[in-house]
Amino acid sequence: EPEVTQTPSHQVTQMGQEVILRCVPISNHLYFYWYRQILGQKVEFLVSFYNNEISEKSEIFDDQFSVERPDGSNFTLKIRSTKLEDSAMYFCASSEGAGAEKLFFGSGTQLSVL
Amino acid sequence: GENVEQHPSTLSVQEGDSAVIKCTYSDSASNYFPWYKQELGKRPQLIIDIRSNVGEKKDQRIAVTLNKTAKHFSLHITETQPEDSAVYFCAASNWMNTGFQKLVFGTGTRLLVSP
Repeated sequence: EPEVTQTPSHQVTQMGQEVILRCVPISNHLYFYWYRQILGQKVEFLVSFYNNEISEKSEIFDDQFSVERPDGSNFTLKIRSTKLEDSAMYFCASSEGAGAEKLFFGSGTQLSVL
Repeated sequence: GENVEQHPSTLSVQEGDSAVIKCTYSDSASNYFPWYKQELGKRPQLIIDIRSNVGEKKDQRIAVTLNKTAKHFSLHITETQPEDSAVYFCAASNWMNTGFQKLVFGTGTRLLVSP
């Protein structure tokens, strides 16, 4: 069964550093998402991406965040200057597109900002 | 915006018992309600979902019911097994046929099934 894959599984960084989280969505999917989950809390929507542009973003997704689909297969989340409160599990997700509502999640990247 | 409340936060049952997890939502425009199972440190996995034009859906030991009038939906697990132990999240969205999907999640229920 096709899966969303994410790398790295764990990322440790110093506060103020830039990080890039990488995702390979399921190959025939057209909509891509980033969600995050702070330890012990609910999963929260960050951003959705379709046709090479952001469809919607949450209040969490401020100017420090950006997304990109650089090469037709990867989908990345960049945090320019990490803060302690950015520490969380970041999940990439994808969905097939029009007519399909199911969202499939990757295994996540655990980001720890020290 | 949509707000999803979920309870209980923890649920302990004996193997073979049934478990019920309940969620309420605030936005009457929400029309899609998935349930995800998340084992420790792993990805949320879709286990069942329901659209607002259906009142109940069943898949083997798992069923979901939806009451649109009351704006609540529930997950029912029968004949629970230890491998059902996990955190279960409900979610809601106003899914448009264009394909875009933004889920609002509940706070999760930690289910523990004891042998």
